[in-house]
Amino acid sequence: AQSVAQPEDQVNVAEGNPLTVKCTYSVSGNPYLFWYVQYPNRGLQFLLKYITGDNLVKGSYGFEAEFNKSQTSFHLKKPSALVSDSALYFCAVRGYNTNAGKSTFGDGTTLTVKP
Amino acid sequence: DGGITQSPKYLFRKEGQNVTLSCEQNLNHDAMYWYRQDPGQGLRLIYYSQIVNDFQKGDIAEGYSVSREKKESFPLTVTSAQKNPTAFYLCASSITVTGGAAGELFFGEGSRLTVL
Repeated sequence: AQSVAQPEDQVNVAEGNPLTVKCTYSVSGNPYLFWYVQYPNRGLQFLLKYITGDNLVKGSYGFEAEFNKSQTSFHLKKPSALVSDSALYFCAVRGYNTNAGKSTFGDGTTLTVKP
Repeated sequence: DGGITQSPKYLFRKEGQNVTLSCEQNLNHDAMYWYRQDPGQGLRLIYYSQIVNDFQKGDIAEGYSVSREKKESFPLTVTSAQKNPTAFYLCASSITVTGGAAGELFFGEGSRLTVL
């Protein structure tokens, strides 16, 4: 079975400061890892993914994530937060061998960026 | 523009009624999915389909039904057997995931169902 943990329900940062949203995963074999963002009453939008290769992945809106195989983590980061980054963030995992590419999502982390 | 269209955005249902949520995509994706979102619980998979005329149960399929008669369409019916149907429902699609392809999910804007 595969699983995702987002240990923080809420992350608060000041505008201009760096932000980190944490994610750890469990999956058989090598993982595909994803980050999505959701604004209120909207669908999820894809931010970035890790498949293989470079452990530092760059995505949309200045976000990046670092894959750490030994710690089974895939933390989302941004060097300088914007108020407009305030949203709900989901980490998701899928194993190479998972039937039909079923993704498992974490429970989400609410990011609040204060001016 | 290519994307996924869900309708209706808001839906109210009386207990004992079946309702059908529409999901249409023009991304030419083979795989389509239905997720349920409840506050604080993330997304849970209801049904998914890799190809026309074929679909599989997800983690919480009881009380739901789907069909996949066309590549573009994957409607979800919430039946009266679903004990707690009030939720936000999200449809998604991706490129084919056979052979280990790692396509990300493209989501619609969601349908919010409230049972009165």
